[in-house]
Amino acid sequence: DGGITQSPKYLFRKEGQNVTLSCEQNLNHDAMYWYRQDPGQGLRLIYYSQIVNDFQKGDIAEGYSVSREKKESFPLTVTSAQKNPTAFYLCASRMDRGEGGYTFGSGTRLTVV
Amino acid sequence: QQQVKQSPQSLIVQKGGISIINCAYENTAFDYFPWYQQFPGKGPALLIAIRPDVSEKKEGRFTISFNKSAKQFSLHIMDSQPGDSATYFCAASIGASKIIFGSGTRLSIRP
Repeated sequence: DGGITQSPKYLFRKEGQNVTLSCEQNLNHDAMYWYRQDPGQGLRLIYYSQIVNDFQKGDIAEGYSVSREKKESFPLTVTSAQKNPTAFYLCASRMDRGEGGYTFGSGTRLTVV
Repeated sequence: QQQVKQSPQSLIVQKGGISIINCAYENTAFDYFPWYQQFPGKGPALLIAIRPDVSEKKEGRFTISFNKSAKQFSLHIMDSQPGDSATYFCAASIGASKIIFGSGTRLSIRP
């Protein structure tokens, strides 16, 4: 089955640590996106990539970093510079042409302990 | 100009009733308007989508109504069921660019 796999489902981070969230897709989609969702809130765009080895900042990129070395993979690193990282993180992908919206992963819930 | 405004923030509907969620936009270059459904702890899933060359699209109990002149579109859920209780997001995009999401509506269907 084609889809997006996010791992881990739950992640705990100590203060001052960097953590990396994994996102892999086998849909052959060109573009990939990372969103942050806080409880009861909407979706805020962190970073996106429309092609391998290229990515752009979204609305709340500070304290986050990404890489896009392979078409299938778009990992997100939450750095120690992100002061309030506790949230639900969603990865999505989309074809770069033709019809169709995003396909989302099932999310990673990150908690600072 | 890039915003999509969604209302209401929350909605309670009796089982069997009609749920209506509204969205408005400013950018007339938007050409794709999807709706997403999200259950707690899950990622959003594409529910239904419309392009501005049609005024209505229906899939089962879900209908999008689109008013291009008013720059508004809405989701109607007919015969609402408890299983429809979820958060709904409207959205818009231009071509294959990033999708702009509304703020979400938390829908609760009372049995």
